[in-house]
Amino acid sequence: EAGVTQSPTHLIKTRGQQATLRCSPISGHTSVYWYQQALGLGLQFLLWYDEGEERNRGNFPPRFSGRQFPNYSSELNVNALELEDSALYLCASSRKGLGNQPQHFGDGTRLSIL
Amino acid sequence: AQSVSQHNHHVILSEAASLELGCNYSYGGTVNLFWYVQYPGQHLQLLLKYFSGDPLVKGIKGFEAEFIKSKFSFNLRKPSVQWSDTAEYFCALLRNSGNTPLVFGKGTRLSVIA
Repeated sequence: EAGVTQSPTHLIKTRGQQATLRCSPISGHTSVYWYQQALGLGLQFLLWYDEGEERNRGNFPPRFSGRQFPNYSSELNVNALELEDSALYLCASSRKGLGNQPQHFGDGTRLSIL
Repeated sequence: AQSVSQHNHHVILSEAASLELGCNYSYGGTVNLFWYVQYPGQHLQLLLKYFSGDPLVKGIKGFEAEFIKSKFSFNLRKPSVQWSDTAEYFCALLRNSGNTPLVFGKGTRLSVIA
């Protein structure tokens, strides 16, 4: 089965610009999760979507937002980019619900802010 | 709020040495615990998971982990490491209730030298 796919692989922006990152989950998975992996900080939870609705949100400012489409793919939007937004952004998907549904990760989008 | 601590940031071992990576968590309720591995240039992969039952869980590639509830620990072990085990290892926790996301530790980088 195809894994979680993310695009683009690498995105270079300047301060103040807006970035859009995309994620396609594994077929049959309805939940999509976004994480930020910044140097030295590990993975920090950003957003969780399930069946088109935002289920939970991490401790990030409102300029981080997203959505999930009817086909369960998802977009992460980051407005008013700041230098500290430079990081690897990982998307994961799972079957509906939490608990015993492990998350499968994509390769990530590396966002570089100049 | 729950948290996960991985005290070793970088571990360097020779091939055939035994491995133990520490993971401690803080949460008083029922948890599900995971170890993920990220090989160089690859996406995060699930190594093993604990939901309930036998506290000693076996994962892929000869890894195992033991859940010790009294110590809030879920250490990862392997009796004999190989050069191909060089990777970053992440411990993660999932609360067994509510719409909550995975909480990751900051990761431990393992370097195996010949």
